[in-house]
Amino acid sequence: QKEVEQNSGPLSVPEGAIASLNCTYSDRGSQSFFWYRQYSGKSPELIMSIYSNGDKEDGRFTAQLNKASQYVSLLIRDSQPSDSATYLCAVTSGNTGKLIFGQGTTLQVKP
Amino acid sequence: NAGVTQTPKFQVLKTGQSMTLQCAQDMNHNSMYWYRQDPGMGLRLIYYSASEGTTDKGEVPNGYNVSRLNKREFSLRLESAAPSQTSVYFCATSGQPSYEQYFGPGTRLTVT
Repeated sequence: QKEVEQNSGPLSVPEGAIASLNCTYSDRGSQSFFWYRQYSGKSPELIMSIYSNGDKEDGRFTAQLNKASQYVSLLIRDSQPSDSATYLCAVTSGNTGKLIFGQGTTLQVKP
Repeated sequence: NAGVTQTPKFQVLKTGQSMTLQCAQDMNHNSMYWYRQDPGMGLRLIYYSASEGTTDKGEVPNGYNVSRLNKREFSLRLESAAPSQTSVYFCATSGQPSYEQYFGPGTRLTVT
């Protein structure tokens, strides 16, 4: 059974701090990795994609990938209350377009 | 561009009733997906369509059927609804080579 594991949280950080969200996956054949943000009652929204080892930065967001350790992370710098949401990690199933989702980490940013 | 649209937004069914959830996209993507999301279970793939004319089962296909009507539209049918199908249903689309998936707003279905 291919799996994606995330700590469900909640992860609570003060406003302005760095939030660090982590994800591990079991399928060594996974090629593409994604982070989605989901506000309560809304649909998942793609915020980061990463395809190769290392870091990828986009504004306040940095995604990190380590395929050898089967580990993906998302850093959110200068966290804002509006970042409070559930963050879903998703990885491709082998070399297909199907995604396997983790159960998500709930982030709470306190003013 | 509307992106991915889903109808209806909300639906209440009685056990045994049937209904079809509609999904349409204007992103010119080849692949389309149906997920359900339940508390504590995350997003689970019901069916997907890699391209027009093809459909395949996902993780939880029992009780559902799908139709890929054309490149834009992918429908999900519940033939005889059961309370266990109470959930939020999301449609998503993706294009190659990135495999990034984009979601519709969802349908909240309650089966009593």
